[in-house]
Amino acid sequence: GAVVSQHPSRVICKSGTSVKIECRSLDFQATTMFWYRQFPKQSLMLMATSNEGSKATYEQGVEKDKFLINHASLTLSTLTVTSAHPEDSSFYICSARDLGVGNSPLHFGNGTRLTVT
Amino acid sequence: GENVEQHPSTLSVQEGDSAVIKCTYSDSASNYFPWYKQELGKRPQLIIDIRSNVGEKKDQRIAVTLNKTAKHFSLHITETQPEDSAVYFCARPSGGSYIPTFGRGTSLIVHP
Repeated sequence: GAVVSQHPSRVICKSGTSVKIECRSLDFQATTMFWYRQFPKQSLMLMATSNEGSKATYEQGVEKDKFLINHASLTLSTLTVTSAHPEDSSFYICSARDLGVGNSPLHFGNGTRLTVT
Repeated sequence: GENVEQHPSTLSVQEGDSAVIKCTYSDSASNYFPWYKQELGKRPQLIIDIRSNVGEKKDQRIAVTLNKTAKHFSLHITETQPEDSAVYFCARPSGGSYIPTFGRGTSLIVHP
């Protein structure tokens, strides 16, 4: 089945630094990937839709200059949290659909636990 | 945008009982209805889905029912076991342009 690989799984960084998270579709092409953030005991909140070869579409309230998304190929999207602060600490998850399969489900990466100290 | 309402937010049952979680939606063009299970600290995983051309689908102890007239779909778990304890999410159904947003989740606790 379709596999989405996300790295790193866990990262601890100091306040003010930037962190890059990678999301790869391993056996299918994903022209669109989705980035979510999940705080403890809450639902997955869509942050942005990553589009291959074009600008990402951000959800209301998500700062595009803080959460930089790059989708340079059909199998790779990256999310960079710039100038991270403790309130950015969260669980970040990417997902993608295999558009070659009609009405296919989302396939999720394993997530990245970000802790900003 | 379109939302999906999920109830209940928490559900506590005894082992062996049944559990039902319901989601309602508003987009009449919806044609794909998935359910995801998320264990603590892990990624959500698809457990069952249904397409609009059927009203029910079963996979062992798990079933999903769809009522397109009333615009709701439900997850049914029978003979619950402690390992069913997790958070379950429905997703905003697909139809036309699909932006996958999730219900608020249901925390299912199965007591041994």
